[in-house]
Parts: sequence; structure tokens; C-alpha cells
Amino acid sequence: EEQLLESGGGLVQPGGSLRLSCAASGLIFSSYAMTWVRQAPGKGLEWVSAISASGDRTYYTDSVKGRFTISRDNSRNTLYLQMNSLRAEDTAVYYCARNNGGYARGMDVWGQGTTVTVSS
Amino acid sequence: QSALTQPASVSGSPGQSITISCTGTSNDIGGYNYVSWYQQHPGKAPKLMVSDVSNRPSGVSNRFSGSKSGNTASLTISGLQAEDESYYYCSSYTSNITVLFGGGTKLTVL
Repeated sequence: EEQLLESGGGLVQPGGSLRLSCAASGLIFSSYAMTWVRQAPGKGLEWVSAISASGDRTYYTDSVKGRFTISRDNSRNTLYLQMNSLRAEDTAVYYCARNNGGYARGMDVWGQGTTVTVSS
Repeated sequence: QSALTQPASVSGSPGQSITISCTGTSNDIGGYNYVSWYQQHPGKAPKLMVSDVSNRPSGVSNRFSGSKSGNTASLTISGLQAEDESYYYCSSYTSNITVLFGGGTKLTVL
């Protein structure tokens, strides 16, 4: 069964850092672009960042550019999101998802999400 | 960049058909055939229902169909069932080399 499992969420103070991980199993991780999507409490989905299958190309929404870094380790079947200079508005459930093709394509496998809370 | 525009809510009776619209611009929906639709039940992860405007992933009921005209994409659900009651989100690739989601639509099955 194809699965994604996020971890690393938690409570952090404004200005702090967190690193999210997304472990893949049952799928050929290195063949697919991957994406992070977040959902603030009671709000809709927001695309955050994506990375190519090889990891050589990365993409970000404007609000996280310069603060978040997406990366992957294909030898460990793991996707990461390093989040620095966190703000209250970054509070959300963060999902990792597999793109069924390039990052512009639909996301067909999703993790269960990990919660990030930015608060003092 | 503003979210794609979806109606906040739609409703229909069992067996009926409903359509959810998703309006963007020539810089997103109108410019690319990379429109997807997701179903999300409260507290759950989203599920891909349609990709590339009108392609249905394996395992998704053929009651779900997608289309696009100009800057507006649509998701049609035919033969409404109680289990279809959920939130639906559209998304599109954009000229800013990002992906944009719609604000979401709550579907109520009466």
C-alpha cells in the first residue's frame, strides 16, 4: 500500500524553527515530484512548496519564500520541509502529497498531516 | 495571488446532479490544462477526484466528471449520494510556476 507519513509538527514560538518529515513507503519515491500543502484551522487548502523527482528544482508560494526550504533524500524515501522564522499565520495542518507526474499535476497520495502551531 | 473562486456552498437531493464552478484567469485555469479537484471530509486528508481537467484516477466513481471552458473549470457529480457530502477544492497550475487552490465548496446532500 502506498503511504506517506508526516512527522515533526508541534508548538513553536514566533520566530522559531521546525523541520517536518514525510516518510514514503510502498511507492517508488524517487520517480515522483512531491508537494507540501497546508490548511489553517477552519480554512481551505493552501499550496506551500513542491520539489522535482530528482530534487534539483524547488518551488514556493510567495509567503514562505526565504523562510521555508523543501528538500528530499531519495535514498531514505523521505521529504522534508525546513521552516524558519515562523509566524502565527503559519499555524496549520501540513500535508505532504505525491504528484502523479510533474508538480503541476494532481496529488494522488496524501499523508495524514502533522500540526504546526506557532504561538507564544 | 488570490485563490481561485468557488461558491461557498452547493446542495442537491439524492439522485440529482450538481456542478461546482472554479473561476480563475488566463494566468491559471485558462492558460493550462492542469486543473485538479479534491474531496475532503472533515478531519481527513484530501482525496484526488479529477486531474488534468477531466481525468479520473483509478478507483474514483464515474459519477464525478471535470471540464473547463475559458477561465472556468467545473466539477459535476451525477446521481448524488449521501456519501458525496463533503468539501471540494479545485486547484490549478499558474504562470507564476506555483499551484493555486480554490477557497473550497461545501456540498450538502439534502
